[in-house]
Amino acid sequence: DQQVKQNSPSLSVQEGRISILNCDYTNSMFDYFLWYKKYPAEGPTFLISISSIKDKNEDGRFTVFLNKSAKHLSLHIVPSQPGDSAVYFCAAGQGAQKLVFGQGTRLTINP
Amino acid sequence: GAVVSQHPSRVICKSGTSVKIECRSLDFQATTMFWYRQFPKQSLMLMATSNEGSKATYEQGVEKDKFLINHASLTLSTLTVTSAHPEDSSFYICSAFDRINTGELFFGEGSRLTVL
Repeated sequence: DQQVKQNSPSLSVQEGRISILNCDYTNSMFDYFLWYKKYPAEGPTFLISISSIKDKNEDGRFTVFLNKSAKHLSLHIVPSQPGDSAVYFCAAGQGAQKLVFGQGTRLTINP
Repeated sequence: GAVVSQHPSRVICKSGTSVKIECRSLDFQATTMFWYRQFPKQSLMLMATSNEGSKATYEQGVEKDKFLINHASLTLSTLTVTSAHPEDSSFYICSAFDRINTGELFFGEGSRLTVL
C-alpha cells in the first residue's frame, strides 16, 4: 500500500517558469510533510516542510501548499533554475521522524 | 557542511562476506536514527528505526538477522549487511533526528554497496 504517491515520474520545465510538483497521501494521521531534493548517489537534501496546521509555507523560491481535505500537497518553484534539476521526493509522517517517501519526480529545467 | 556522515560512501564486497556501514551525527546527539534503502529509480524505503541503547525496530519484510543494526552511542549507528548476496546491492541511506536543537531530520550522504 503506497501511502505517499507522486504520480508524475518526470517533469520538464523551461528556465524561468514555474515548476509544480505534486504529491498525494492516504494516511489521515500524517501531520508533517516535507520535500527533499536528491542528486544521484547522494543523500536527500531537505528543502521545505509544512505541518498540518498550515496550508502554505514559503521559503525563497520554494512554496509548499497543503490541502488536507484532498490529502494533497504540492511544491512550487519559481522561477525555475537549471540547478533545480534533480529528483524531488515528498515525504510524510507523524512528526518529523519516521517518514514515508513518495516515488520521486525527476525535474529537468531546460535553458 | 554535513551534519550526518556515512562511511564508506562506496563498498564492493564478495558474496558471502559481511559489510558494515557507519552513520554518525556530527553536531548533535541523536537518540533515534533511521536506515533506508533505495533501489534504482525507486523511492527510499525505510528499513528500520535505530534506537540508542535498545534494539532496533524493523519494518515489515526486513530481515533483522540479515541487516544488523547497532546504536551504541548517541552519535553512531551501524548497519551490518551479513552474508551479503548480489541482491543486497543497493544504495543505503541513514538519517538522524535532531530532537533537541532543530527538530529536523538530517540525512547522510548514502553508501553504495555492490556485492559481486
